[in-house]
Amino acid sequence: GNSVTQMEGPVTLSEEAFLTINCTYTATGYPSLFWYVQYPGEGLQLLLKATKADDKGSNKGFEATYRKETTSFHLEKGSVQVSDSAVYFCALYPLDRGSTLGRLYFGRGTQLTVWP
Amino acid sequence: DTGVSQDPRHKITKRGQNVTFRCDPISEHNRLYWYRQTLGQGPEFLTYFQNEAQLEKSRLLSDRFSAERPKGSFSTLEIQRTEQGDSAMYLCASSLTGVNQPQHFGDGTRLSIL
Repeated sequence: GNSVTQMEGPVTLSEEAFLTINCTYTATGYPSLFWYVQYPGEGLQLLLKATKADDKGSNKGFEATYRKETTSFHLEKGSVQVSDSAVYFCALYPLDRGSTLGRLYFGRGTQLTVWP
Repeated sequence: DTGVSQDPRHKITKRGQNVTFRCDPISEHNRLYWYRQTLGQGPEFLTYFQNEAQLEKSRLLSDRFSAERPKGSFSTLEIQRTEQGDSAMYLCASSLTGVNQPQHFGDGTRLSIL
């Protein structure tokens, strides 16, 4: 089946610290992978995506590399800001014929709080 | 830039009442999705439409839930005889058809059952 596992939160960092949020997945076939971010009181916003092995998605200083050998898609940022405080969700979009095309499978989310 | 719009943002109702939520997708998007999100969890898929056709329903979508997209534009999600366990954030998303097209989410409707 398809599933996503994220590291437990919350994650608390000081401004300018390095961020890693771990994400591993289980999928039949070769899924596309996404990171979404949810700010308080808002819906989810697409942060970045990668559609095949070894692809690196990047946006707003965040990066994640699609690692097929370790079935991982860890989110990283070199220097976090207070404004990065939010909940981050890893998600996969399965592409094999046996899965329901269209639905995303999400992890539980990781709360990030950045202090000044 | 008109994104996905959901109405209402918040709904408080008594157990046993019926509620209906509306979602207006991005205008050129032919796919529309409903998800449910409970506290501390990621969104869980409920159903999705390709134009007006409902192509898939999750087992989470009991017979008290019904979704429609009559003209392939906006969609409604109705919950009949609400229960305490229905309290959640209901998220709508839309996308273009095609592999790897990202889903764009609305801000959600938060449902609270008294």
